[in-house]
Amino acid sequence: KAGVTQTPRYLIKTRGQQVTLSCSPISGHRSVSWYQQTPGQGLQFLFEYFSETQRNKGNFPGRFSGRQFSNSRSEMNVSTLELGDSALYLCASSLEPSGTDTQYFGPGTRLTVL
Amino acid sequence: EDQVTQSPEALRLQEGESSSLNCSYTVSGLRGLFWYRQDPGKGPEFLFTLYSAGEEKEKERLKATLTKKESFLHITAPKPEDSATYLCAVRAGTASKLTFGTGTRLQVTL
Repeated sequence: KAGVTQTPRYLIKTRGQQVTLSCSPISGHRSVSWYQQTPGQGLQFLFEYFSETQRNKGNFPGRFSGRQFSNSRSEMNVSTLELGDSALYLCASSLEPSGTDTQYFGPGTRLTVL
Repeated sequence: EDQVTQSPEALRLQEGESSSLNCSYTVSGLRGLFWYRQDPGKGPEFLFTLYSAGEEKEKERLKATLTKKESFLHITAPKPEDSATYLCAVRAGTASKLTFGTGTRLQVTL
């Protein structure tokens, strides 16, 4: 069974631009969560989608947004990029958004903002 | 607010030298405690889920245990390929998000 895939793997953008990252969950998984990982803050929750609806959102500004499609694939968008947005963005999928389901992570997208 | 603290931040072991990593947590209504391994430049790889105090799980040289306040990841006779960052995360209450600790960087040398 194929794992979580994320595209692109690497991105370089300049301040003020916007970026869209894509995530394809494990087949059969319907819940997708996004995390930001930085050396200073570690892994921080961005948001979670299930059945095309955002269920939870972390403490990030409105520049960070996402969506989920009917096939469970998800995208996240960051507008008006800032230097501090440079990070590894990780997508995780699970069968359901329950408290006991395991989240499986993709390889991440490394975003560098210059 | 859910809090997860991992110690030590970094650990250097010689091959075969067993040790334990600690994950202490403060949450309201623990639903699950998760251990992941992360290699540089890669996404976290799932290792274990523990649901209730007293539970233990094993996989090769790794054994995870859980109490009401903390979890331990015991590494028995480690090999260089066990070198990685080990992350602990909790899920609590009705939320499905994971709250992560900052990880323990493990280096195993010959």
